[in-house]
Amino acid sequence: KNQVEQSPQSLIILEGKNCTLQCNYTVSPFSNLRWYKQDTGRGPVSLTIMTFSENTKSNGRYTATLDADTKQSSLHITASQLSDSASYICVVSPSYGQNFVFGPGTRLSVLP
Amino acid sequence: NAGVMQNPRHLVRRRGQEARLRCSPMKGHSHVYWYRQLPEEGLKFMVYLQKENIIDESGMPKERFSAEFPKEGPSILRIQQVVRGDSAAYFCASSPTSGFLGELFFGEGSRLTVL
Repeated sequence: KNQVEQSPQSLIILEGKNCTLQCNYTVSPFSNLRWYKQDTGRGPVSLTIMTFSENTKSNGRYTATLDADTKQSSLHITASQLSDSASYICVVSPSYGQNFVFGPGTRLSVLP
Repeated sequence: NAGVMQNPRHLVRRRGQEARLRCSPMKGHSHVYWYRQLPEEGLKFMVYLQKENIIDESGMPKERFSAEFPKEGPSILRIQQVVRGDSAAYFCASSPTSGFLGELFFGEGSRLTVL
């Protein structure tokens, strides 16, 4: 069964600190992996998309890594800001024509 | 270039009434997905449509829920005889292509409250 798991379920950090969110998937075959940010009461917004051949991709203070062999991905946030408080969702896409598989999300709270 | 537009943003219905949620995809997008999100929970897939076709409705409840994406006009998610458990945020996403590198763009959601 295609599945995406994320850890931790929730995380609280102080402003300025770094953090890393984890995503494990059992989706097969694998096409690409995306990280989305969802602010409270808003729709998700894409942060990164990675194909199986990419190991690392950055978007400002966000850096995603992908290990297709172990089927793990991480999202590292550097120098966190209060505006980083949100849910971060890992989404995996199987082969062309199939549906996306969503993880449950990690809820990040950045405190001043 | 307008993004994915959903309306209404907020909808209140009494038990037994019907709810209709509309989604206009981004210009040029022919793939539409509907997701439901309960408070403090993740997004749950409901249905995937292309113009005039339902591609995957494996996440749709068997009764009371239906979706369409006509040749002209927005995609509609219809919930008949709503119950309190239908209270949730319903998100629509659109994509220019499916699956491989088909970037998903989400709307801001429609929040349904059933009294």
